[in-house]
Amino acid sequence: QQQVKQSPQSLIVQKGGISIINCAYENTAFDYFPWYQQFPGKGPALLIAIRPDVSEKKEGRFTISFNKSAKQFSLHIMDSQPGDSATYFCAASKGYSTLTFGKGTMLLVSP
Amino acid sequence: DAMVIQNPRYQVTQFGKPVTLSCSQTLNHNVMYWYQQKSSQAPKLLFHYYDKDFNNEADTPDNFQSRRPNTSFCFLDIRSPGLGDAAMYLCATSRDRGAGTEAFFGQGTRLTVV
Repeated sequence: QQQVKQSPQSLIVQKGGISIINCAYENTAFDYFPWYQQFPGKGPALLIAIRPDVSEKKEGRFTISFNKSAKQFSLHIMDSQPGDSATYFCAASKGYSTLTFGKGTMLLVSP
Repeated sequence: DAMVIQNPRYQVTQFGKPVTLSCSQTLNHNVMYWYQQKSSQAPKLLFHYYDKDFNNEADTPDNFQSRRPNTSFCFLDIRSPGLGDAAMYLCATSRDRGAGTEAFFGQGTRLTVV
């Protein structure tokens, strides 16, 4: 019930392409869905987050799409750049609970 | 500028020798967390403090302990490190608990057990 499943495990995208990372969850009580970005040797940092009352949130080149009925959400990175190369974690939480993280996706954007 | 500071960045300890990792924050946040992150895996929450209230995760081994002497500092004590405890240890803070509260992570301490 607490698990968040993330795919793919790794992704290679050409510069300028669209990177898409998917997550699925089981617990319908989850009400907060953030994405964290982690560069090598650094701690994760919040990238963008969404609540289930909206289906999409966009911040610059980063968009979260949320499908409540399918219990899925995804991160889209438009015009992917080499500087976007990092590991991306989706996460979910409910109420006063702590974050449950997905296993991460290692993104490499080739020049 | 660093808001969540972990020391040291790299720690090598001997098998079975107690080790302490430290975390400090300048954000004055109520909540401090300790995560364990092994290679290519998600961060795994070990425990967190909500102010002085300690909250242990059910599957955190007894070998791991924590102290929070004041708002700014939090320590992770590993009483008898085993080879399986080699990992990146991440400290994080948040203003409050609950959905929508952003967690701020430190750079982590990479622990090697020899």
